[in-house]
Amino acid sequence: SYVLTQPPSVSVAPGQTARITCGGNNIGSKSVHWYQQKPGQAPVLVVYDDSDRPSGIPERFSGSNSGNTATLTISRVEAGDEADYYCQVWDSSSDHSLFGGGTKLTVL
Amino acid sequence: EVQLVQSGAEVKKPGESLKISCKGSGYSFTSYWIGWVRQMPGKGLEWMGIIYPGDSDTRYSPSFQGQVTISADKSISTAYLQWSSLKASDTAMYYCVRRGYGFSYYFDYWGQGTLVTVSS
Repeated sequence: SYVLTQPPSVSVAPGQTARITCGGNNIGSKSVHWYQQKPGQAPVLVVYDDSDRPSGIPERFSGSNSGNTATLTISRVEAGDEADYYCQVWDSSSDHSLFGGGTKLTVL
Repeated sequence: EVQLVQSGAEVKKPGESLKISCKGSGYSFTSYWIGWVRQMPGKGLEWMGIIYPGDSDTRYSPSFQGQVTISADKSISTAYLQWSSLKASDTAMYYCVRRGYGFSYYFDYWGQGTLVTVSS
């Protein structure tokens, strides 16, 4: 079955750029979506279809997807960006969804 | 405004049954699939399954097939997740989600979560 692999943690200083990866076999052929979950809150969609942002999500959040890796990029990181981030795909062959294991972003 | 409002926290004993709910508003409830996502304490997100309230077509993750039942009552814009016999390992936060679509499917709106605690 298809597996999405994320690093358990990423650390970045305020004002720098954070890159969170999501690995999968030929993931570039799929559309990848990203969610932010702050402690005690429900997840929020921050990027969909690899690189589109829902209304209200800052332009600092962007995404890319190619080959075997999709990447969520957060520019000019702020303390408020500290959260868990999850990638997700929809497997059209099985008509099922799948999440990556999640990455904890720490702002130093 | 699209909203998914879930039922409140539950504390149950092993072997008991349970049905939690998710009421949608602010959009056409019968036009979007509604799914459920589990998050065990301190762990990641797991997709459980999804239902189309328009005709009750349902899909389950293989990990949850036979373990839970997903249903919907379109007359009251409400989806349900139910267990016939709870286990301690069912202790988790459960989120309902609306499935949006672009080039693929994603979860554009989330409920606030229902915490289920199963303990003797």
